[in-house]
Amino acid sequence: DAMVIQNPRYQVTQFGKPVTLSCSQTLNHNVMYWYQQKSSQAPKLLFHYYDKDFNNEADTPDNFQSRRPNTSFCFLDIRSPGLGDAAMYLCATSRTGQGTEAFFGQGTRLTVV
Amino acid sequence: AQSVTQPDIHITVSEGASLELRCNYSYGATPYLFWYVQSPGQGLQLLLKYFSGDTLVQGIKGFEAEFKRSQSSFNLRKPSVHWSDAAEYFCAVGAPTDSWGKLQFGAGTQVVVTP
Repeated sequence: DAMVIQNPRYQVTQFGKPVTLSCSQTLNHNVMYWYQQKSSQAPKLLFHYYDKDFNNEADTPDNFQSRRPNTSFCFLDIRSPGLGDAAMYLCATSRTGQGTEAFFGQGTRLTVV
Repeated sequence: AQSVTQPDIHITVSEGASLELRCNYSYGATPYLFWYVQSPGQGLQLLLKYFSGDTLVQGIKGFEAEFKRSQSSFNLRKPSVHWSDAAEYFCAVGAPTDSWGKLQFGAGTQVVVTP
């Protein structure tokens, strides 16, 4: 089945140690998103790519970066994780077009120790 | 300011009983409307969506939602819940002028199903 796959499902990192989360998709969608979801909160969009065009949300901290080397893969880099960055990180994809549906991966639960 | 409100943080319902989850939005124009479900430790799964046309929308797992323009609402319903419906439910909107799939989510409603 075509899908959005996130690896790893669980990631533990040390305070201040860079960490990378990965996302791959077999849907061939040209838009990919990263959402941050803290405990008991709504997912919050960090940024999205339209093909290789990067679009940062205004309130996304500089500590968060992203790379998209090709259509299928997208990475979330956290340069210096703080305790407040512990969250579920959700990758999603969609086609372009108004009101298009977003397809989500299962998420990566990040713990910062 | 644009917003999505889910007034109920937590709902407990008996198995077999009906369920209604509320969602209200505030937008300049009618946005695209979605309901997603999230089981513990999992990603989000789309239940249904509304773009235009018939205001009663059927989704997966026996869910339906009704769009009411006059009330700026998009409430989710299920006539008879199953234990497997215990999860968190998110209402989301997409801006009508947005050409991507960017979503703004409500805070979510946690549904607990009792025997």
